[in-house]
Amino acid sequence: GAVVSQHPSRVICKSGTSVKIECRSLDFQATTMFWYRQFPKQSLMLMATSNEGSKATYEQGVEKDKFLINHASLTLSTLTVTSAHPEDSSFYICSARVGQYSPLHFGNGTRLTVT
Amino acid sequence: QKEVEQNSGPLSVPEGAIASLNCTYSDRVSQSFFWYRQYSGKSPELIMSIYSNGDKEDGRFTAQLNKASQYVSLLIRDSQPSDSATYLCAVNLPGNQFYFGTGTSLTVIP
Repeated sequence: GAVVSQHPSRVICKSGTSVKIECRSLDFQATTMFWYRQFPKQSLMLMATSNEGSKATYEQGVEKDKFLINHASLTLSTLTVTSAHPEDSSFYICSARVGQYSPLHFGNGTRLTVT
Repeated sequence: QKEVEQNSGPLSVPEGAIASLNCTYSDRVSQSFFWYRQYSGKSPELIMSIYSNGDKEDGRFTAQLNKASQYVSLLIRDSQPSDSATYLCAVNLPGNQFYFGTGTSLTVIP
């Protein structure tokens, strides 16, 4: 149980374009989902907390107008990287959990390369 | 002070040995504790959860929690080359606060 599906797994796009990443909880409802970014050989960095039916909470230093998060249902959150630049190239990972004290379950991640 | 501290390693152990991974946390209201394994280029995978003081065993893995000392550890018995990965300690605080350590890199030498 507690499966999180993330799509696409890999995307290559040109500078200036936008990319949407989907995160779905397949067998549970997730009122909250978390978006992380990880650069090579670095730690997980929390970007934002996505709340169903309300605005996302962004971590300090993360541009909310660049990284648009929509959590329209209890099983789907999306992250859109707008006007992508090469420095946005990274591994983006979403996660969700069943209950308040339960562990985070991660999607398989999306490797974004901006050329 | 970081919420969760781990020795970054690298930690190397021979195949068949016990690997010991340690983690300390700063906030006494931490309520649940987790160990994740992350292979290079992959997303983290949950391997252990622990909620109360003492030991919890699952196969070759044992998690140990000492809330008085604010310390969590993971023991991997009979280490295998396939255990080579980065191990992340994570702590859950009230209010959707979830903190990860920077991870310990483990290499099991055949």
